[in-house]
Amino acid sequence: DSGVTQTPKHLITATGQRVTLRCSPRSGDLSVYWYQQSLDQGLQFLIQYYNGEERAKGNILERFSAQQFPDLHSELNLSSLELGDSALYFCASSVGAGATTGELFFGEGSRLTVL
Amino acid sequence: AQSVTQLGSHVSVSEGALVLLRCNYSSSVPPYLFWYVQYPNQGLQLLLKYTSAATLVKGINGFEAEFKKSETSFHLTKPSAHMSDAAEYFCAVSVNFGNEKLTFGTGTRLTIIP
Repeated sequence: DSGVTQTPKHLITATGQRVTLRCSPRSGDLSVYWYQQSLDQGLQFLIQYYNGEERAKGNILERFSAQQFPDLHSELNLSSLELGDSALYFCASSVGAGATTGELFFGEGSRLTVL
Repeated sequence: AQSVTQLGSHVSVSEGALVLLRCNYSSSVPPYLFWYVQYPNQGLQLLLKYTSAATLVKGINGFEAEFKKSETSFHLTKPSAHMSDAAEYFCAVSVNFGNEKLTFGTGTRLTIIP
């Protein structure tokens, strides 16, 4: 158990819909990262938050947005869903944003299926 | 920008045989390198990491990796494969510029043959 909690574990929805994925980081971790894992794209970094502020942005579509709340949990919002958005979405957390250990602790993922 | 390349998307070895998973990196600055493992229906778990200390790094479950700057490589090895090693393995790179974003390779699925 990594200590990172993601909900829901599975989600099935239709094209054009909007969903919200939730992540609770490990106790004490200030950084939250979102990754998308799909068969054709592999593991793609989407976005990082550190203590409530956006820290780094990767290949995140404009239809996607995220935020980190004062209690440090994070939400990833996916809107106007397309078939190609079907993937496993991972949340990871780490202690800081300026340290260099690079160890990320991953949740078990939220599997999104868009029909 | 930094990147890693994993050679071989699928590797099969017999139980008890040597495991060798290849990773080459590209970075304009000294990198930090990692191997993560993903078991079916689970998240990624850190196996080991190189952070500029010893070039031979030992990790969990008997795995180790050697950082070779001249070859820009960070291959993962295990002397004797076990059935429980069947999983997907990801090499990742990070650079010290103020955040811990990891860039992952495409992964290598390891199959163990009984």
